[in-house]
Amino acid sequence: QSALTQPPSASGSPGQSVTFSCTGTSSDIGGYSYVSWYQQHPGKAPKLMIYEVSKRPSGVPDRFSGSKSGNTASLTVSGLQAEDEADYYCSSYAGSNNWRVFGGGTKLTVL
Amino acid sequence: QVQLRESGPGLLKPSGILSLTCDVSGGFISSSNWWGWVRQPPGKALEWIGEIYHDGSTHYNPSLKSRVAMSVDKSKNQFSLKMNSVTAADTAIYYCARGFRGYCSHPRCNVALPLDYWGQGALVTVSS
Repeated sequence: QSALTQPPSASGSPGQSVTFSCTGTSSDIGGYSYVSWYQQHPGKAPKLMIYEVSKRPSGVPDRFSGSKSGNTASLTVSGLQAEDEADYYCSSYAGSNNWRVFGGGTKLTVL
Repeated sequence: QVQLRESGPGLLKPSGILSLTCDVSGGFISSSNWWGWVRQPPGKALEWIGEIYHDGSTHYNPSLKSRVAMSVDKSKNQFSLKMNSVTAADTAIYYCARGFRGYCSHPRCNVALPLDYWGQGALVTVSS
């Protein structure tokens, strides 16, 4: 069982927006602004999409945006494209003892 | 362009020792970044194993800490993972990754850094 809770699946049509949630506790997401999101296509390594809640690495389209409220972080993908179909994992800093935790992942289907 | 590549035995027997190495190219392991391991059982979620700094400082997943050890070889620009007493539950794709200090706004960056470069992954199967 993963430390962070993500819905197992989400879907949307091309051009639409979809938002994923990632729920933790005050010991991880709620306590710090160090949430990252990773995209993983089948058979590939994860790719960093968002860090520090809402910052995008260079090369990541601005269709991807992140936010946080309390113990829940969110990733929004706007203007859905077929290539956005993938698994998305959230991760958070979890303090000096636990350090880093991941969510269980959400599978995005582009209809 | 930083590249990471995992290597090591792909098949282990239960109770054996898992040993993987991650070769780093295009960057120096002695930089101010952290170097970590993440695994993914087939069809399942990512699980953080731990990470190491070039001075030997480490952070381990508390649930794996008793079985895991990481090390750095600066002369070879690589870092390694050892996990003992493996069982079938340790069957997974093992990824090495870089925790990038450049994506950190914390004053001392004493937090888990975003993992910006990943290896392609190495499948390790534990079976008798």
